[in-house]
Amino acid sequence: EIVLTQSPGNLSLSPGERATLSCRASQTITNNYLAWYQQKPGQAPRFLIYGASSRATGIPDRFSGSGSGTDFTLTITRLEPEDFAVYYCQWYGWPPRTFGQGTKVEV
Amino acid sequence: QVQLQQWGAGLLKPSETLSLTCAVYGGSLSGYHWTWIRQSPGQGLEWIGEINHNGVTSYSPSLKSRVTVSVDTSKNQFSLKLTSVTAADTAVYYCARGPYTDWPLAGHWGPGTLVTVSS
Repeated sequence: EIVLTQSPGNLSLSPGERATLSCRASQTITNNYLAWYQQKPGQAPRFLIYGASSRATGIPDRFSGSGSGTDFTLTITRLEPEDFAVYYCQWYGWPPRTFGQGTKVEV
Repeated sequence: QVQLQQWGAGLLKPSETLSLTCAVYGGSLSGYHWTWIRQSPGQGLEWIGEINHNGVTSYSPSLKSRVTVSVDTSKNQFSLKLTSVTAADTAVYYCARGPYTDWPLAGHWGPGTLVTVSS
């Protein structure tokens, strides 16, 4: 089972700033099968990124993903008020398709 | 636009069976992965299991002995059963469909169902 460790646990930033979130895997992620989701309080998560760097339909270009191997990054340039939320990475190669524990981006 | 609607009992007693159903509107079951994910209060996301377009199921190792995911293509619905529940199974349960055919991702999500296990 691949274990994903996200850091930091909490990220305190202001609107307009850049957010850099990390997701580290316990073993090499094959074919960059790494996704990112955003979750706001009381809502279901929202699909953001797949293949480590491809944006899902309708996702603004201020969200970008990068990385390979075991180290991956979600970057949000110029934080908008609606971007303050919890972000999760997920391995979606062979099962179990595990999630990281999340990073909370807060004001 | 794809929408998922889910329903099931929200309050269970220990040892009972959790049963949830998810229906898809504005889209098909065919060709997609169908996933169940849960979130305990104040915690992160936990992948429970899935069924793919060929009817092949995969489950979390920690839940495998108690979980069944099934699909009813005639009704455009899929279901989750979790037997012998305990308080540790208290969570919001989400159903999700892949964003693209044959992709095991949660591209479209249901609103979630809070299931509480309490005596």
